[in-house]
Amino acid sequence: KNQVEQSPQSLIILEGKNCTLQCNYTVSPFSNLRWYKQDTGRGPVSLTIMTFSENTKSNGRYTATLDADTKQSSLHITASQLSDSASYICVVRTGGYNKLIFGAGTRLAVHP
Amino acid sequence: SQTIHQWPATLVQPVGSPLSLECTVEGTSNPNLYWYRQAAGRGLQLLFYSVGIGQISSEVPQNLSASRPQDRQFILSSKKLLLSDSGFYLCAWSGAVSNEQFFGPGTRLTVL
Repeated sequence: KNQVEQSPQSLIILEGKNCTLQCNYTVSPFSNLRWYKQDTGRGPVSLTIMTFSENTKSNGRYTATLDADTKQSSLHITASQLSDSASYICVVRTGGYNKLIFGAGTRLAVHP
Repeated sequence: SQTIHQWPATLVQPVGSPLSLECTVEGTSNPNLYWYRQAAGRGLQLLFYSVGIGQISSEVPQNLSASRPQDRQFILSSKKLLLSDSGFYLCAWSGAVSNEQFFGPGTRLTVL
C-alpha cells in the first residue's frame, strides 16, 4: 500500500533555531517528492520538488534532502522565523497526474 | 499569472441540507482540476479530478458529487450533507505540461 509517513506530528521551536522534519514513504513507482507549506486555513504552497536523481534542493532557508534508497526525505529549516509556523506536508507522486500520496503533515510552531 | 478562487471561505450547514462549493481558475486554459478533503490530522484525500468539461473521475465512493460545467469551473455538490462531510475542502489545478498542482485557499465546511 502506498503510504507517506511524517514525523514528528508537531514541533515547537524558538525563533532563530533550526529544525528538521522527516518523511518516510513506501510508494511505487516513485516519480517525485514535494514539500508543501500550509498556513492555517489556507491551501498548501509548494516549497521544493525532487526527482529520483536529486539528493538535495534548497529554497531560501528551506533545504530538502532525498535518499531514494532508504525512501526517506527531510526538510531542514534554518534560522526559523515566526512566519515559519505552519504545517509542512510531504507529497509523493506516483505514476499519472492524479496520483499524489499525501503525508499527514508536521505542525510547526515557532515561538519568540 | 494564474489564480485559483474558492468560495465560500467558510460554511456552516445543517445535516441533510444541500451543498455547493465553487472553484474557478483564471489565467490558464484546459487545466486539470481536483477536489480534495483534508481532515484534521490526516493527509489530503483526493475526491474528484477532471481533465476537461463534463469529464469527472471519482476516487472514493461518498456522499458528494462534482461537475465541470465550464473549462475553468469546478463544483462540488451534495444533495444531503452528513456530519462526516465536515472538513476543509481544497480545489487544485495543474497544467497539461507540468504536473505541479496549485491549491486554492480552501473552504471550511462544518455540518451540524
